[in-house]
Amino acid sequence: GNSVTQMEGPVTLSEEAFLTINCTYTATGYPSLFWYVQYPGEGLQLLLKATKADDKGSNKGFEATYRKETTSFHLEKGSVQVSDSAVYFCALSDRSETDKLIFGTGTRLQVFP
Amino acid sequence: GAGVSQSPSNKVTEKGKDVELRCDPISGHTALYWYRQSLGQGLEFLIYFQGNSAPDKSGLPSDRFSAERTGGSVSTLTIQRTQQEDSAVYLCASKRVRRGEAFFGQGTRLTVV
Repeated sequence: GNSVTQMEGPVTLSEEAFLTINCTYTATGYPSLFWYVQYPGEGLQLLLKATKADDKGSNKGFEATYRKETTSFHLEKGSVQVSDSAVYFCALSDRSETDKLIFGTGTRLQVFP
Repeated sequence: GAGVSQSPSNKVTEKGKDVELRCDPISGHTALYWYRQSLGQGLEFLIYFQGNSAPDKSGLPSDRFSAERTGGSVSTLTIQRTQQEDSAVYLCASKRVRRGEAFFGQGTRLTVV
């Protein structure tokens, strides 16, 4: 079945450090891939997405590239800020009739000044 | 409304009691999903509505769980005879169309004591 695996946290970084959060997936067919972010006390928000192989999603300085050959969608940011502290979820949509999202377990990022 | 609204935001209930969780999707959104976020787990899919019908109930964990949607709008998730393992955050998401972007509510934190 479809599944998403992402690195466990917490990830602790100093401000302006480089961020990578690894995400790999298992899926039949060609899923769409997403990163969602959950800031403290808030609901899940879509951060970025990619719908086909080699697509790069980007938003707010974050990037992720859909790599079919390695079944990966790693999240990167060149210089993190304290305000990026949140929980990040990698997800895929199964493109079935339901088109439901299948999530990883989430990675907590803590950025210190 | 401006976003997906869920109520209550927090619910503490005694084991064995029934609870109802409410979701008000964004106006005009035809697709509605319920997910559950348990401690240390990712988000797991529970049920999908298209309009008032639920073509995919495959994620409901037991027959104690049920959901309905009326008027193509408000949805209610009901858990009967609650158990401690039902403690989790229950999230609702809506989409304008099935393959569109999912918008999430802030969730209902359910604690069964």
